[in-house]
Amino acid sequence: GDSVTQMEGPVTLSEEACLTINCTYTATGYPSLFWYVQYPGEGLQLLLKATKADDKGSNKGFEATYRKETTSFHLEKGSVQVSDSAVYFCALDSNYQLIWGAGTKLIIKP
Amino acid sequence: EAEVAQSPRYKITEKSQAVAFWCDPISGHATLYWYRQILGQGPELLVQFQDESVVDDSQLPKDRFSAERLKGVDSTLKIQPAELGDSAMYLCASNPPGTETGELFFGEGSRLTVL
Repeated sequence: GDSVTQMEGPVTLSEEACLTINCTYTATGYPSLFWYVQYPGEGLQLLLKATKADDKGSNKGFEATYRKETTSFHLEKGSVQVSDSAVYFCALDSNYQLIWGAGTKLIIKP
Repeated sequence: EAEVAQSPRYKITEKSQAVAFWCDPISGHATLYWYRQILGQGPELLVQFQDESVVDDSQLPKDRFSAERLKGVDSTLKIQPAELGDSAMYLCASNPPGTETGELFFGEGSRLTVL
């Protein structure tokens, strides 16, 4: 069945460092892809999405590009802030149901 | 800004007791989801409602879990009896009409600890 694999965390970076969180997927067809973020003590929030190959989703300085050839949707940010510390989840829409990755915890140190 | 409301935020109970969680989705959101999230894992869908009807409850352990959305607005998830393995975060989400399945609005969750 369809699945999502994320890089294991925690990922620890210094403020202003570049971020990449890897996400790869296995799916039949061409599902929509999503990144969600969960800040400490808060609910999950949709961060960005992409609905077809080569689409780039972006929000709050984060970007992810839907790469069909590598079945990937890596999350990137050029300069992270302490406030970006959170757990990030990659997900895909499989027949109208979301399939989730296990999440990657990001820790940003000042 | 409209939010998905959930209560209680935290619940501690002993095994074999009954517990209930409540969710009020954003007004106008016909689709409502209950997820379970175990620490260190992604959310797992328990049940999906469209208005008052269950669309998918294939992953709901029906021997002990039940969910209802009687008037197609708020919803209750019940566990009876609770087991140690039920300790998790229970998340409610809703979905605006005309949007993709993956565009969900989540509540803050209800954290259950079973002793």
